[in-house]
Amino acid sequence: DIVMTQSPDSLAVSLGERATINCESSQSLLDTSTYNNHLAWYQQKPGQPPKLLFFWASTRESGVPDRFTASGSGTHFTLTITSLQPEDVAVYYCQQHSTTPQTFGPGTKLEI
Amino acid sequence: EVQLVQSGADMKKPGDSLKISCETSGYIFTNYWIAWVRQMPGKGLELMGVVFPGNSDARYSPSFQGQVTISADRSLTSAYLQWSSLRASDSAMYYCARDGGGGFDFWGQGTLVTVSS
Repeated sequence: DIVMTQSPDSLAVSLGERATINCESSQSLLDTSTYNNHLAWYQQKPGQPPKLLFFWASTRESGVPDRFTASGSGTHFTLTITSLQPEDVAVYYCQQHSTTPQTFGPGTKLEI
Repeated sequence: EVQLVQSGADMKKPGDSLKISCETSGYIFTNYWIAWVRQMPGKGLELMGVVFPGNSDARYSPSFQGQVTISADRSLTSAYLQWSSLRASDSAMYYCARDGGGGFDFWGQGTLVTVSS
């Protein structure tokens, strides 16, 4: 199975500042036939199911604010939140979609 | 509107059997994989397995192979997760989710399973 790691485990950022979360996969997630990276990002707030933020590593899901951006390729990926808002407090997960099972990273807890 | 509605919370004893459901609507059920995801209290997301309702192909993560059964009923546009003999360690929140191809784009509200003697 592909192993996903995330750093940091937790992160405290002031309101209005930038938060950066890293995700690394044990194998490349780049599909060389389509040049898509099979990596998704999710946000999970307390008591709620996860919400898809990005797919194909950097394609923003409809309705996700543009202060959220995602980038990366191969085995290294980044989720960035510029100008942190109170409603961004959540746990953020990356997930590889290259092979079944589509393993998740362990999560990064983002606090104010 | 795509919706995944899961069955309600359940409390069982060790050794009991259980089948929880995920009723879908608003899209062509047979065209998308459905995943089941476990979240133990205070922990992260674990993919248990997936099922393709078009042909009932079910695939399991190694940790869950042989421990649960995932299935789908095309006539009811529903997916299921079942246990034949529950353990206390199965106590968790369970989510179903639709695999949109690049990510799990729609999720059920979750089913809390509590196993206690």
